[in-house]
Amino acid sequence: DAGVTQSPTHLIKTRGQQVTLRCSPISGHKSVSWYQQVLGQGPQFIFQYYEKEERGRGNFPDRFSARQFPNYSSELNVNALLLGDSALYLCASSLVPWGNEQFFGPGTRLTVL
Amino acid sequence: AQKVTQAQTEISVVEKEDVTLDCVYETRDTTYYLFWYKQPPSGELVFLIRRNSFDEQNEISGRYSWNFQKSTSSFNFTITASQVVDSAVYFCALSPTSRGGSEKLVFGKGTKLTVNP
Repeated sequence: DAGVTQSPTHLIKTRGQQVTLRCSPISGHKSVSWYQQVLGQGPQFIFQYYEKEERGRGNFPDRFSARQFPNYSSELNVNALLLGDSALYLCASSLVPWGNEQFFGPGTRLTVL
Repeated sequence: AQKVTQAQTEISVVEKEDVTLDCVYETRDTTYYLFWYKQPPSGELVFLIRRNSFDEQNEISGRYSWNFQKSTSSFNFTITASQVVDSAVYFCALSPTSRGGSEKLVFGKGTKLTVNP
């Protein structure tokens, strides 16, 4: 079975631009979470979605938004990019948001110039 | 507030040595989960273990073992007879158990393990 997939793999943007990252969960998983991992740090929670509803939001500005589609895939949008948004963006899926381990995708490496 | 501290930033060992990675956590929740993930150079986080706060039994899986001590809020990870393939960044993480809410993972900063041949 396919694991969590993310696209694109790498992305280069300039300050002020907008970016959309995509994630497809493991088949049967209904919950998707997004994490930001800055170089040398642990991942930080951005959002969690379950059944198309937002279940949790981390301490990120409103420039960050996300949504989940009926097929449980998800998009993360970041507007007005800043240099500090450069990071590895990880998507994780789980069957449900509670009591289950989260399986991570390979990530999207975003570089903001 | 929840917090995970991995005091060891980097560890370097020679193959076949045993190595222990430390993890100390803080939480006000009475029930929670603890995790260890491995992140090889490819970047993908690989799940290693999940432990419920009610279960303080130590666990062994092959060369890996975990020591959970609630009294000291620690969840340490030991690799026995380390191998070069164990070289990676290892993250300890914590999440609350909240059926109605979100079980976000709170990660430590990670410990980079290098196993030299």
